[in-house]
Amino acid sequence: EIVMTQSPATLSVSPGERATLSCRASQTVYSNLAWYQQKPGQAPRLLIYGASTRATDIPARFSGSGSGTEFTLTISSLQSEDSAVYYCQQYNKWPPYTFGQGTKLEI
Amino acid sequence: EVRLVESGGGLTQPGESLRVSCAASGFTFSSYSMSWVRQAPGKGLEWVSFISSSGTTIYYADSVKGRFTISRDNAKNSLYLQMKSLRAEDTAVYYCATIPSPSGYRSFDYWGQGTLVTVSS
Repeated sequence: EIVMTQSPATLSVSPGERATLSCRASQTVYSNLAWYQQKPGQAPRLLIYGASTRATDIPARFSGSGSGTEFTLTISSLQSEDSAVYYCQQYNKWPPYTFGQGTKLEI
Repeated sequence: EVRLVESGGGLTQPGESLRVSCAASGFTFSSYSMSWVRQAPGKGLEWVSFISSSGTTIYYADSVKGRFTISRDNAKNSLYLQMKSLRAEDTAVYYCATIPSPSGYRSFDYWGQGTLVTVSS
């Protein structure tokens, strides 16, 4: 099973600044990685797939990068509405699909 | 507009059974693989089960294998998860999600709002 590790656990950033969230896989997942955003009381929403492709209707402020075992989600020009928990997930070697434990972003 | 609506959750006792459903609309359900993902209260996301578009390929997480059964009815645009021998650790919000790939090698593109299953005596 591929273990996904996210850092930091919690990140506090001021409005207008940039946030950088990290995700590491225990073995290569190539570019088969997705990022999700989950706000309190809501279902997760797909942000990024293929490590760097934005999903439908996702603002350009959200960008993903990386391949292999190291990945980054960058959110620029942070807005209060970006406060959420962010999860990475690999779909290269499954079952099982595996998620990181999440990074809580506080604005 | 893609819409996934889960139902069937509730309070049940350990050892009992429950079936949750997911009604899909706004897309060609029969062309999509589907999965169930759960989230225990205050915890992260855990994949539970996968079913291919035709229903011929099925996988389960080890934590539910032998107790849960995934199925689908493409004529009714519906996905199901039959859960038996429920345990306290199965308490979670259960989400259905679409996978826009027949092979399953893609992200979970759309999610329902979830249905809460509580297992407690």
